[in-house]
Amino acid sequence: GENVEQHPSTLSVQEGDSAVIKCTYSDSASNYFPWYKQELGKGPQLIIDIRSNVGEKKDQRIAVTLNKTAKHFSLHITETQPEDSAVYFCAASRASGGSYIPTFGRGTSLIVHP
Amino acid sequence: DGGITQSPKYLFRKEGQNVTLSCEQNLNHDAMYWYRQDPGQGLRLIYYSQIVNDFQKGDIAEGYSVSREKKESFPLTVTSAQKNPTAFYLCASSSRDRAQPQHFGDGTRLSIL
Repeated sequence: GENVEQHPSTLSVQEGDSAVIKCTYSDSASNYFPWYKQELGKGPQLIIDIRSNVGEKKDQRIAVTLNKTAKHFSLHITETQPEDSAVYFCAASRASGGSYIPTFGRGTSLIVHP
Repeated sequence: DGGITQSPKYLFRKEGQNVTLSCEQNLNHDAMYWYRQDPGQGLRLIYYSQIVNDFQKGDIAEGYSVSREKKESFPLTVTSAQKNPTAFYLCASSSRDRAQPQHFGDGTRLSIL
């Protein structure tokens, strides 16, 4: 089955700095890669996603890049703000029997110091 | 507002007791999922259902049971066979049309008394 590795497990930055979270996946058939942000006591919320036919996608301060050959994808947050502090999860999924069951990374706890 | 509602937010279980966690969605999604979240472990899939009256085991189904009698509802029962049930439980739903993101509820935290 799919295996997703996520690094680092904890990331501490100063407000205004950039933050980068990296994930690798093992199944070359995976074709959909969402990123989720989870705040304390809440469920994860989708912040950006990318499909395998695209190499990069941006949404304001957030960007995701995908390297299919190397089987890794990354989340980039620029001009970080204290409200960006949360746990971030990457996931990889592929079609299987009519469904898309994602495999999640173990999460990165991002701390943005004011 | 469309979304997923999980209840209760906090739940306590005594030894040998079964408890049921509720999950309701009004997003008209066909697929629903249950995950267990432990510190540092990410999200692990317990059960999922693609359509009404059908469900599949995930990676850690032992000690859990589900039902899917209605499209909107996917309750999870934590049975007494689950020896380490203390965790944060998340319900999610998604469309089945090509790869789509999951929408999550705000979870239920289950603890042992």
